[in-house]
Amino acid sequence: GEDVEQSLFLSVREGDSSVINCTYTDSSSTYLYWYKQEPGAGLQLLTYIFSNMDMKQDQRLTVLLNKKDKHLSLRIADTQTGDSAIYFCAETPLGAGNTGKLIFGQGTTLQVKP
Amino acid sequence: DGGITQSPKYLFRKEGQNVTLSCEQNLNHDAMYWYRQDPGQGLRLIYYSQIVNDFQKGDIAEGYSVSREKKESFPLTVTSAQKNPTAFYLCASSRSPGQGAPITNEKLFFGSGTQLSVL
Repeated sequence: GEDVEQSLFLSVREGDSSVINCTYTDSSSTYLYWYKQEPGAGLQLLTYIFSNMDMKQDQRLTVLLNKKDKHLSLRIADTQTGDSAIYFCAETPLGAGNTGKLIFGQGTTLQVKP
Repeated sequence: DGGITQSPKYLFRKEGQNVTLSCEQNLNHDAMYWYRQDPGQGLRLIYYSQIVNDFQKGDIAEGYSVSREKKESFPLTVTSAQKNPTAFYLCASSRSPGQGAPITNEKLFFGSGTQLSVL
């Protein structure tokens, strides 16, 4: 079945770059997403990439997709303390049709030290 | 402002009690979803609804029930059959392109969540 895996924790210093990694098993995934969750809050969509793209850049965020290895990463440049949150990787598997169902990873807690 | 509202923010359930979590959206979205979040785990889909008066079971529907009588509302009832209800519950909504449409990027919009605890 479909599965999405992430490491659980990442700690960086303010001003450094952060790289959060994600692997998935469904090679038919269409869209892949990165969501951010601040404490006690819902998820906020950060960015997404279509499966026929290798890279997408949006201001401080860069998404890289290696479809052969089924590996997705999110790079945050010049990480700030306000970036501290849980980051979820998610995919829309082809089998989901148009239901909008997403498969989420476990989430990576990003800790930014001043 | 358009958005998706969950209430209450915190909810306590006694043994053997059913409780209902509210989810309302004014985004004119057809599809709505309920996810459960446990610490250190990803979100797991409980139920979803693509259109009024219709809903489908997700991956962990046992012990839960839903209704979709209005487009704007998708309440979730946690029944006494759910033996481990303590979790953070997230409601979401999206547009739904419908049958036969090409796969599109129908982004999910989330509410701020309800933390359910057992007394």
